[in-house]
Amino acid sequence: DTEVTQTPKHLVMGMTNKKSLKCEQHMGHRAMYWYKQKAKKPPELMFVYSYEKLSINESVPSRFSPECPNSSLLNLHLHALQPEDSALYLCASSHPDLNEKLFFGSGTQLSVL
Amino acid sequence: DQQVKQNSPSLSVQEGRISILNCDYTNSMFDYFLWYKKYPAEGPTFLISISSIKDKNEDGRFTVFLNKSAKHLSLHIVPSQPGDSAVYFCAASTAGSGNTPLVFGKGTRLSVIA
Repeated sequence: DTEVTQTPKHLVMGMTNKKSLKCEQHMGHRAMYWYKQKAKKPPELMFVYSYEKLSINESVPSRFSPECPNSSLLNLHLHALQPEDSALYLCASSHPDLNEKLFFGSGTQLSVL
Repeated sequence: DQQVKQNSPSLSVQEGRISILNCDYTNSMFDYFLWYKKYPAEGPTFLISISSIKDKNEDGRFTVFLNKSAKHLSLHIVPSQPGDSAVYFCAASTAGSGNTPLVFGKGTRLSVIA
């Protein structure tokens, strides 16, 4: 199994809503990542979890709250988002002790109205 | 400051010909380089990688060349096929220091014309 599964694939939410993005992998990877990608831009790192602990937060606003309940799951909780937060949110995983070949999920296309 | 640069936003190539995508980097600490391919509304898919101890790595139709002195790498696709039409991202990391996140270039959109 070389898949990273993200749900939902599409999400439309209002600025007062609370929603969560989910990511799951069963490759035994102990590093998991959230990236944000806007159209015609490269993926932009948001958070890195290593062995279920938050190791990198790239100065992401607190309206984005990551959570890693176990080694296979990664969530991104969303609250009070702005329209400019509309983007493709990508989850990825890798083995933290080897070269950083990331496996990406298909992403969640988020629209904030 | 862009550490990984892909200076060509787009490239068009005839089917069957060679596609050459270029990437430059500024951080001399980078020692591991990857190419990802991305279709619209999908996550990037790993294509090929190269470690700084090598100057060439080949996998089927895809070859990556690394010129460390010039801080330059290139991806060659031969022969190009219409299904290769996608955005290609170059990425780099300092793998020797463990869990260092990848730094991506802005991508090059390849169009292979039948």
